[in-house]
Amino acid sequence: TAGITQAPTSQILAAGRSMTLRCTQDMRHNAMYWYRQDLGLGLRLIHYSNTAGTTGKGEVPDGYSVSRANTDDFPLTLASAVPSQTSVYFCASRDSGAYGYTFGSGTRLTVV
Amino acid sequence: GENVEQHPSTLSVQEGDSAVIKCTYSDSASNYFPWYKQELGKGPQLIIDIRSNVGEKKDQRIAVTLNKTAKHFSLHITETQPEDSAVYFCAASNPPARGSTLGRLYFGRGTQLTVWP
Repeated sequence: TAGITQAPTSQILAAGRSMTLRCTQDMRHNAMYWYRQDLGLGLRLIHYSNTAGTTGKGEVPDGYSVSRANTDDFPLTLASAVPSQTSVYFCASRDSGAYGYTFGSGTRLTVV
Repeated sequence: GENVEQHPSTLSVQEGDSAVIKCTYSDSASNYFPWYKQELGKGPQLIIDIRSNVGEKKDQRIAVTLNKTAKHFSLHITETQPEDSAVYFCAASNPPARGSTLGRLYFGRGTQLTVWP
């Protein structure tokens, strides 16, 4: 089934450790996004990529980095995790010229 | 950038009643307004959307209305059912264009809808 695959589905991570959240799409969408979802704050954009080879910062980029080596993959890296990064992370994609987003199922991350 | 506000943050209704969620936006250039439903443990899924050239759109029990002059749009769910219980997000975006940040969605903070049987 076409769509977005996120891995892992959940993770408990010790503070100070690094981790990469994976996101892969098979729809050949050009634009991809990473959001974090926290209770009462909705969906906040961390980083985005309009096309392979380019990335940009969203509303809450500090502590996170991304890369976009190809169209399909858009990994999100936490270099040194902190408890405030405990959240549910969603990857999304959109085809250029199209309107709506397709979301993945999310990664629930707990930093202890 | 765009600022989208959504109200209420929580909404409880009796099964069979109607539910209305309202959003306002700030950027008059926005022309696309989708609504997403997020069930527990899942990612948001598009349920209905509207573009600025129409004032209302319906799909069975759900409808969206748009008032571009006042910069607000609303989601209406009629004959609510327990399976409508979820978090609903509104969003707004500029017209999409290849290779630019246009088309990025700006989300409201969400409404937790609970439908009691």
